[in-house]
Amino acid sequence: RKEVEQDPGPFNVPEGATVAFNCTYSNSASQSFFWYRQDCRKEPKLLMSVYSSGNEDGRFTAQLNRASQYISLLIRDSKLSDSATYLCVVNWGGSGNTGKLIFGQGTTLQVKP
Amino acid sequence: EAQVTQNPRYLITVTGKKLTVTCSQNMNHEYMSWYRQDPGLGLRQIYYSMNVEVTDKGDVPEGYKVSRKEKRNFPLILESPSPNQTSLYFCASSTLGGGSYNEQFFGPGTRLTVL
Repeated sequence: RKEVEQDPGPFNVPEGATVAFNCTYSNSASQSFFWYRQDCRKEPKLLMSVYSSGNEDGRFTAQLNRASQYISLLIRDSKLSDSATYLCVVNWGGSGNTGKLIFGQGTTLQVKP
Repeated sequence: EAQVTQNPRYLITVTGKKLTVTCSQNMNHEYMSWYRQDPGLGLRQIYYSMNVEVTDKGDVPEGYKVSRKEKRNFPLILESPSPNQTSLYFCASSTLGGGSYNEQFFGPGTRLTVL
């Protein structure tokens, strides 16, 4: 099993659609979780951190399910500008701050007019 | 302006010719890291540093060296580059706090081709 796994897609959706991505992680000791956005081989940029209680930022909602070891990202009312690759990031966990961060392969979203 | 800079942005070199990719951040971040990105494999961590003089291996450290003599700089050294190190490289930095990791700021990337 990969340490962090995402469906690479692509997800092709019409404008206004709601789309959800999942990301599974293998290490139950992981403590920090993030979603990053990457446009066309440019540098990744933080979209949102994922908190235990779930969190929302405008049209974006992130959730963490520790029991099943996955995080999710929900995008409502998709815009053309949401087209990008979404990267799931998990710290490796274990005792202390190990510093090792694992990126998922990324999920590509294409929003069509 | 708060930023992470990398140099060079593009580099074509030949097998075995030592090279260094520089990374510098002006945000006083403790944590710095190097990644490589390859099609179908995503970003993979090469090395990271939790603070000055503290470095550790990521997932794919073979063939690379790093050093952290100053807080702002974290150069990546390829002593004897090989074609399988052709990749897009990103440097990133972040603060550390409360036992968790904070937003990583990425440099613009260095596209390396080893012939």
